[in-house]
Amino acid sequence: AQTVTQSQPEMSVQEAETVTLSCTYDTSESNYYLFWYKQPPSRQMILVIRQEAYKQQNATENRFSVNFQKAAKSFSLKISDSQLGDTAMYFCAFNPGNQFYFGTGTSLTVIP
Amino acid sequence: GAGVSQSPSNKVTEKGKDVELRCDPISGHTALYWYRQSLGQGLEFLIYFQGNSAPDKSGLPSDRFSAERTGGSVSTLTIQRTQQEDSAVYLCASSSVRGSYEQYFGPGTRLTVT
Repeated sequence: AQTVTQSQPEMSVQEAETVTLSCTYDTSESNYYLFWYKQPPSRQMILVIRQEAYKQQNATENRFSVNFQKAAKSFSLKISDSQLGDTAMYFCAFNPGNQFYFGTGTSLTVIP
Repeated sequence: GAGVSQSPSNKVTEKGKDVELRCDPISGHTALYWYRQSLGQGLEFLIYFQGNSAPDKSGLPSDRFSAERTGGSVSTLTIQRTQQEDSAVYLCASSSVRGSYEQYFGPGTRLTVT
């Protein structure tokens, strides 16, 4: 079975600090894609960052970076220099084929 | 260019009525997905369309749910004889390449069944 687990339902961070959101997944596939999506109160899902499983180098996108550990099936998101606009639900997802599998999300609050 | 659009943005219906939710994907995107997001939950896959292939309906929760995609573009999700447990946000997403690339999401339709 393909599953995604986000073990932190809620997190908070002081503005300008760094926070890491955890995600683990389970799959028997060897090639797949991993994603972090952000969903602010507006409900619009926005792609934050993408990682291809066959690439060992961790993806980075400005203040956002991932720590991808394929053997451990772990895919954490690090947000540096947190900003108030980062307040949102964050969903980890992976795509081994046709379907996308999503975690239950982590609600992140950035405190001024 | 225009993103994925969905209509209506909110829908309130009485238990037992049928509803239709519409999704207009990004032009040229061949893949289209429907998801359901219940309060405080992640996204539950419902159905996937890819080009002219038969849709993957494995996520539809019951035979009250159906979806079609006309002309490889606009899609309609229909829920017949709505139940209170159908209340959720229904999200549509499209992507340009089968499977391996990111999805672009619409703003969703919030369905409330009273």
